[in-house]
Amino acid sequence: GGIITQTPKFLIGQEGQKLTLKCQQNFNHDTMYWYRQDSGKGLRLIYYSITENDLQKGDLSEGYDASREKKSSFSLTVTSAQKNEMAVFLCASSIGPNSGNTLYFGEGSRLIVV
Amino acid sequence: QQQVRQSPQSLTVWEGETAILNCSYENSAFDYFPWYQQFPGEGPALLIAIRSVSDKKEDGRFTIFFNKREKKLSLHITDSQPGDSATYFCAASESGGSNYKLTFGKGTLLTVTP
Repeated sequence: GGIITQTPKFLIGQEGQKLTLKCQQNFNHDTMYWYRQDSGKGLRLIYYSITENDLQKGDLSEGYDASREKKSSFSLTVTSAQKNEMAVFLCASSIGPNSGNTLYFGEGSRLIVV
Repeated sequence: QQQVRQSPQSLTVWEGETAILNCSYENSAFDYFPWYQQFPGEGPALLIAIRSVSDKKEDGRFTIFFNKREKKLSLHITDSQPGDSATYFCAASESGGSNYKLTFGKGTLLTVTP
């Protein structure tokens, strides 16, 4: 088995601040994802990375940057935090589409903007 | 546009009853439909999945019924237990070597009352 570790679990920042969330996986999976979860809105894809050094925009990429530093890690930056940004950010990894694309999720990082 | 829709938004059943969670989709190219289960404070985890070549998939108390013509599916949880109380997400994707995106519905919050 493996695990997805997201840090920090809670991130408190001020409006306009640049904030970064980090994700590590030890599944040795090629593909990693960042999803945003808002209450009542489900999960929306922000960025994903098919393999190391790759970056693909999801449906909600505006206002965010991402970086796949190495195979095991994928970070997400909120470029200018806004109060309507408060949500849970979920990192996930998968082997890839040929496996039926099962995603393994971390526990989430909650962003609080004051 | 919302490509995957779930209903109801929330559902309460008594212990021992069958809970029925509904899902519909718009994209005819979707052919893989996983259901994810999420407990509070945790990330979603794959519960059961079906491919469009099948009309039923069973795993213990959990069964997916799939109607390709109507683009609808449902998750039936028989003999519901309080431990089944969670949010259930229906998701969809296209198979194939170049597709990595999983589209989620907004979720159904299931409460099983003892």
